[in-house]
Amino acid sequence: RKEVEQDPGPFNVPEGATVAFNCTYSNSASQSFFWYRQDCRKEPKLLMSVYSSGNEDGRFTAQLNRASQYISLLIRDSKLSDSATYLCVAPQLGAGSYQLTFGKGTKLSVIP
Amino acid sequence: NAGVTQTPKFQVLKTGQSMTLQCAQDMNHEYMSWYRQDPGMGLRLIHYSVGAGITDQGEVPNGYNVSRSTTEDFPLRLLSAAPSQTSVYFCASSYSRDSPYEQYFGPGTRLTVT
Repeated sequence: RKEVEQDPGPFNVPEGATVAFNCTYSNSASQSFFWYRQDCRKEPKLLMSVYSSGNEDGRFTAQLNRASQYISLLIRDSKLSDSATYLCVAPQLGAGSYQLTFGKGTKLSVIP
Repeated sequence: NAGVTQTPKFQVLKTGQSMTLQCAQDMNHEYMSWYRQDPGMGLRLIHYSVGAGITDQGEVPNGYNVSRSTTEDFPLRLLSAAPSQTSVYFCASSYSRDSPYEQYFGPGTRLTVT
C-alpha cells in the first residue's frame, strides 16, 4: 500500500460550493501532516499544517482522524482562484531527520 | 530574499550526456531536498541533505548524485542521462533538519532527455 493515497479527481465544483478531499496514510507513527497547493506548471506551496487538533484558516479547514488514518481538507465558498491540485503530505521520521511523502494530488476545478 | 532558485528552467539532453541542475537558497535553511514530478506519479524524493557535508538517498536516487559543500547550494548531477529521467525537477529547502516544517520550493527545471 502506498504511504499516502489521494483521490486524483478531478473535482469540478461551481463557485460558492463546499468541497472536501480525503487523504489516507499508512504510517501510524506520523504526528503531523500538511496540505500543499500546486498551480498548473508551478511549484507546490504550503497551504496548511494539520496536527491532532485540526486547523482552520478562513475558508479552509483541515482535520486529522488518527483512528481511521486519514486527513481531510474542506474548502467552503469555493472561488475560481481555488482551482489547483492539492497535495497531501506525510513526514516519515528518522534518526535526526525526516523525509516527506507526497500524495499524487487531487485536482480541483472551480467553475463559474 | 530570493528564496529558492533553480537553474536552468528548461533543458534538453541527449541520452548519455551529463549535466548539473543548480539549486540555491538564501534563507540559511538546514534541510534541502530534490524531487522529481512525473504525470500520475506525484512528487518523489531523490536525495536530501540535513546540512553542509551531509546527504542521504530518498525514494528514487539511482542515476543521480548530490553534494552539499555549503549551506546555500545543493546541486543535482545526472551522471548519464536516460529518457526515463525526463521529468520536472524541484529543489526545496526547510528551516529545520529534524522537524518537518514548511518546505519552500524552487520554480522547477523541466528536463527532456531524447
